[in-house]
Formats: sequence, structure tokens, C-alpha cells
Amino acid sequence: AQRVTQPEKLLSVFKGAPVELKCNYSYSGSPELFWYVQYSRQRLQLLLRHISRESIKGFTADLNKGETSFHLKKPFAQEEDSAMYYCAPLGAGNNRKLIWGLGTSLAVNP
Amino acid sequence: DTEVTQTPKHLVMGMTNKKSLKCEQHMGHRAMYWYKQKAKKPPELMFVYSYEKLSINESVPSRFSPECPNSSLLNLHLHALQPEDSALYLCASSQPFQPQHFGDGTRLSIL
Repeated sequence: AQRVTQPEKLLSVFKGAPVELKCNYSYSGSPELFWYVQYSRQRLQLLLRHISRESIKGFTADLNKGETSFHLKKPFAQEEDSAMYYCAPLGAGNNRKLIWGLGTSLAVNP
Repeated sequence: DTEVTQTPKHLVMGMTNKKSLKCEQHMGHRAMYWYKQKAKKPPELMFVYSYEKLSINESVPSRFSPECPNSSLLNLHLHALQPEDSALYLCASSQPFQPQHFGDGTRLSIL
């Protein structure tokens, strides 16, 4: 079965510190992975997509097929990064629905 | 227009009421989704419409009834809901197999 694991329920860092939100997946075939972010009182929105290899709001994520990971990183966290982050691979097969991780709540303290 | 619009934003209803949630997008997306989200939890997929046809029903109770009148609109009809159905209901749209765009959601409370 396809699964995604976000091992940290809550991650707390100080402003300016590096941050890494972990995501591990189990998947057969070539995965397509996304990171979604949900800021307080805002809609769920796409942060990153692995095939685009973009850096959004200073965040990057690299797909590591050997370790089956897609960790989200930012070198210097800002207070406005405080939010809930979800890792979500796109499932395989004809009905390609998102498989959501349980999420990591990031708190960036001043 | 790059938004998914959901109405109403808040809804309080009794267990015997009938109400509907509405979702609209004008991005030309051909897939539309309903999710249920509880506090501090990921969204749970309920239904997927692809090219205006229901393609996924995640074993949702029949008291939730989706409808896709056209490619821009998605409704969720509610009847005889239970207190445990209180949640944030999210609508999303996408091109098939592309990233999903979410609305702000309808916060539903069942009395």
C-alpha cells in the first residue's frame, strides 16, 4: 500500500534557524510528490512540487529515491513560516488521488 | 480568476435539516473534489468528479450527496447529518493529475 509518513507532529525552531520537515513515502513506480501548507485562517495551498524543482518562499525539497524521502528545508526560518505542512504523494493507478501525511505543525519563535 | 470559491463560509444546521454547500471555479479545471477536514488533521477525500462524472466515492454515508451541474460548479447536499459530521468542508479543483487548488472551506456545525 502507498503510504506517507511525517514523523514530527510538531516542530519548534527559533527565527533564523534552519528547518527541515521530514517526509518518507512508500511507493511503487515513479512517485509525484507535493508539499502543501495551511497557514492559520488561510486556505490550503500548494507549496512545492518535486518535478518543478522550484524554491518557494525560500523552501526547497529534494526527492531522494534511495531513501524514499522528500524532506522540506529552509536555511533560515521566519515567523511567517509558522503553519501546518502536509506532504502528499499522488497515488498510482487510474484514480490518482493525493495520499496525505498527518502533517507537521511548524512553530517559528521570535 | 484563479480561485475556488465556496459558499457559505459558515453553516449551522440541525440534524433534521437539508442544506447544500456550493463550490465554483473558473479555471477550466476538469476535476473537482470534496474533502472533510477536522481540526489539526489532514483533509479526508470524500468525492472526486472528473469531466463532470463521479469517479471516486470514498464510501461516504448517503447523507452526503454530491452533484456536479456543470464543469464549473460542484455541490454537496446534506441531509440528516450527525454531530460527528461537524468539520471544515473543502472543495478543490485541478486539471487531471495536476496540483489541486483549494477553496477556503465551509465550516459546518451540526446541532
